Amino acid sequence: QVPLQQWGAGLLKPSETLSLTCAASGDTFTNYYWTFIRQPPGKGLEWIGEINHSGDANYNPSLRSRLTLSVDTSKKQISLNLTSLTAADTAVYYCARGGGGTTSLPFDSWGQGTLLTVSS
Amino acid sequence: SYVLTQPPSVSVAPGNTATITCGGNDIRYKSVHWYRQRPGQAPALVIQNDHERPSGIPERVSGFNSGNTATLTISRVEAGDEADYYCQVWDNRDHQVFGGGTKLTVL
Repeated sequence: QVPLQQWGAGLLKPSETLSLTCAASGDTFTNYYWTFIRQPPGKGLEWIGEINHSGDANYNPSLRSRLTLSVDTSKKQISLNLTSLTAADTAVYYCARGGGGTTSLPFDSWGQGTLLTVSS
Repeated sequence: SYVLTQPPSVSVAPGNTATITCGGNDIRYKSVHWYRQRPGQAPALVIQNDHERPSGIPERVSGFNSGNTATLTISRVEAGDEADYYCQVWDNRDHQVFGGGTKLTVL
């Protein structure tokens, strides 16, 4: 496991954009995919998308039109931008290590979670 | 889309065995991972690749995958096992898929 530190806005208005960043430590950044997962209050986990150090990304089809993932390998950081927010986007957002297509790995390290509330 | 079905809740007395199922079409051909989420905490991996225990997970936690059902078994259940449990697989169309989660209650 590796520590993951994440940060981003907590209260946003409808139609605004969520920006989250997740920073990893250690020497394994380039060996893994890095994933965002969210959890609406009282509900289950939903996969958002994943990206590797080369910028190869996979997105949840239901979010693809509003979602951008990016990576800064020099800082060992991944970022999420989610546009046109609605109340349905209210959730705790997690970053995690793992994922990655046909060679997908389990999510063995998780960030602490960041609560996003979308409300006018 | 690929769907994983879990029972919403499972209850077990301390010392007994808890079994949590995860149903999916031909799930036996997929690698199933299981996560435990205690209240107010991030999920944590407890079983990977159907039956492998990550470091720090006790032997009384085990996994099995066959047919259309994967199973997480917790033997000699303790109060500290009370949590929500999620199964997860990778699907070539839907990418990462989670089950709906099962709340394990220790009576």
